[in-house]
Amino acid sequence: KQEVTQIPAALSVPEGENLVLNCSFTDSAIYNLQWFRQDPGKGLTSLLLIQSSQREQTSGRLNASLDKSSGRSTLYIAASQPGDSATYLCAVRPLRGAGNNRKLIWGLGTSLAVNP
Amino acid sequence: NAGVTQTPKFQVLKTGQSMTLQCAQDMNHEYMSWYRQDPGMGLRLIHYSVGAGITDQGEVPNGYNVSRSTTEDFPLRLLSAAPSQTSVYFCASSYSARGAPGANVLTFGAGSRLTVL
Repeated sequence: KQEVTQIPAALSVPEGENLVLNCSFTDSAIYNLQWFRQDPGKGLTSLLLIQSSQREQTSGRLNASLDKSSGRSTLYIAASQPGDSATYLCAVRPLRGAGNNRKLIWGLGTSLAVNP
Repeated sequence: NAGVTQTPKFQVLKTGQSMTLQCAQDMNHEYMSWYRQDPGMGLRLIHYSVGAGITDQGEVPNGYNVSRSTTEDFPLRLLSAAPSQTSVYFCASSYSARGAPGANVLTFGAGSRLTVL
């Protein structure tokens, strides 16, 4: 059974630091992996989607990598800003089974606080 | 460019009452879904739809009904509210549930916070 784990559950850093958020999954048979951001009291915003055949995706100061063999993805945030404070969630779409969005497996998220 | 619109944002119900959470998207997305988010349990899929007239159950469908009469709308009905249904509900859509990667990217609504007393 696919399980997704995000460690740490919470992280507090000073402004300007480069930081890495981790996402691990137990079954390497995935179709893709997505990173989302959730602001308090708000919905989720998709940040990056990595296909199983890709190693990384970049958007601005964000870089997500994928290592299927080790069951890990990292979200790298460069030069963090207070506006980056939010909860970051990863979700895996398994390859096996019906393999549609309905089968997304979610982590519980990492709550990030970037302090000025 | 409204995206996914959920109403209401907040609702308080008494046990046994029924209500409908509304979800509408203006992006011509084929796929729509409802999630609930609870502390320590993450996001759990309630129901989903891959197109007008087609719905299916997710992980936690009991106590909820859905219908998809149009591409744009996907309401979630609570038949007889229970305290266990106190949660934050999110509607999400994507262009497709299959095919090209970009088609799978989910767009979420802002959420509906429901309290059942």
